[in-house]
Amino acid sequence: EAGVVQSPRYKIIEKKQPVAFWCNPISGHNTLYWYLQNLGQGPELLIRYENEEAVDDSQLPKDRFSAERLKGVDSTLKIQPAELGDSAVYLCASSPTSGTEAFFGQGTRLTVV
Amino acid sequence: QKEVEQNSGPLSVPEGAIASLNCTYSDRGSQSFFWYRQYSGKSPELIMSIYSNGDKEDGRFTAQLNKASQYVSLLIRDSQPSDSATYLCAVYAGKSTFGDGTTLTVKP
Repeated sequence: EAGVVQSPRYKIIEKKQPVAFWCNPISGHNTLYWYLQNLGQGPELLIRYENEEAVDDSQLPKDRFSAERLKGVDSTLKIQPAELGDSAVYLCASSPTSGTEAFFGQGTRLTVV
Repeated sequence: QKEVEQNSGPLSVPEGAIASLNCTYSDRGSQSFFWYRQYSGKSPELIMSIYSNGDKEDGRFTAQLNKASQYVSLLIRDSQPSDSATYLCAVYAGKSTFGDGTTLTVKP
């Protein structure tokens, strides 16, 4: 069974530029998460989807971050414009339903210069 | 106070010893509890899930949950150098919250 796939693995951009991350969850998983992880800290939830509906986006900085999950499968997370403080690892995870085991993709390491 | 707290590391144990990792949480309505292992530069990998009070064993790993004390732990028996990693505790109470992890080093 294929795992969660994310791309790109690494991204370096200049501040104020836009950037997008893509995630393909495990087939059949209804719940999709986007997390942000800073060095030495645990993942912090940005947004959670149940199928195509964003059910928890309270921690998503909506002035610059946006996300979508078309047809309840793949998802895209966008930052526009990026700031220096956005440098982190962005993790996508999926689970069969909320509250069950979540499986992570490889992550995207973003560096904003 | 953080919603999920893990004992501050780093934790160092000799090869073959038992490593004990602890986690406390603040939301009494928490329903699901998970332990993840994260190697440096890699993404978290699920080790154990536990949903009810008591112990759950899987190979060398045992998760223990005590909802009354709002405490969940992970025991690693016969620790191996390959167990050296950061261990993350995650708690689900309507949303998933992670602790900041405990870094374990197993010395040969």
